[in-house]
Amino acid sequence: QVQLQESGPGLVKSSETLSLTCTVSGGSISSYYWNWIRQPPGKGLEWIGYIFYNGSPNYNSSLKSRVTISVDTSKNQLSLNLSSVTAADTAVYYCARGSRTRGPLNYWGHGTLVTVSS
Amino acid sequence: QSALTQPASVSGSPGRSITISCTGTSSDVGGYNYVSWYQQHPGKAPKLIIYDVSNRPSGISNRFSGSKSANTASLTISGLQAEDEAHYYCSSYTSSSTPLFGGGTKLTVL
Repeated sequence: QVQLQESGPGLVKSSETLSLTCTVSGGSISSYYWNWIRQPPGKGLEWIGYIFYNGSPNYNSSLKSRVTISVDTSKNQLSLNLSSVTAADTAVYYCARGSRTRGPLNYWGHGTLVTVSS
Repeated sequence: QSALTQPASVSGSPGRSITISCTGTSSDVGGYNYVSWYQQHPGKAPKLIIYDVSNRPSGISNRFSGSKSANTASLTISGLQAEDEAHYYCSSYTSSSTPLFGGGTKLTVL
C-alpha cells in the first residue's frame, strides 16, 4: 500500500522559505504525478503545483513566483520550497499522488501544519 | 483562477439523499470529464470518492454517485449515514491542465 508522509519545520518566520519533504513508501516515485496542496485553518483546499517524476513542474499561477517543486528518485522523495512566506501561507500542507495526466489524487499524506510567525 | 462554486452547507436526515453541486465554467467543469470529489473528516486528509465525473474508486460505497450537466457537476449521497458527516470538495482540471478545487461543502447529518 502506497503511503505518503510529509515532514519539515512546523514554524517558519515571515519572509523566510518554507521547505517540506514528502517521503513515499510502498511504491516507487517513478511514474505518476506528485502534487502539493494546502489548506489554511478552517478553509478550503488550494492546489500548489505538481511534477511528473521526470518532467517539468506545473504551478498554481498565484504562487508561481515563489514555488519550487522537485523530485529525488534516489530517495523516493518529493520536495516543496515556498519563498518569502507571510501569515497567509499558514496552512496544513499535503502531498498527494495523481495516477495520470489530469488524473484524480488517489493517495494523500496525512498533512503537516506549517505556521508562519512574525 | 477562482475556485469552483459549492454551497457552503447542506443537511439531510439519516436514510435520505442529498446532492451537492459544483459550478464552474466551460474552461473547467464544462470542458472536461475530469471532475473529482473528495471527502474530508475533521483533522483528516481528503479522500477520493468520485473521479472522472461518475467513477468510484475501489472500496467506495455505491451510495456515492456523481454526474455532470453543462458547467455543473453534482455529488449525490443516498441512504445518508452518520459517518457521511464531513466536508466535501469538488475538483476539476482546467484548460491549463491544472486542478481547481471548489470551496467545500459541509454536510450535516441531522
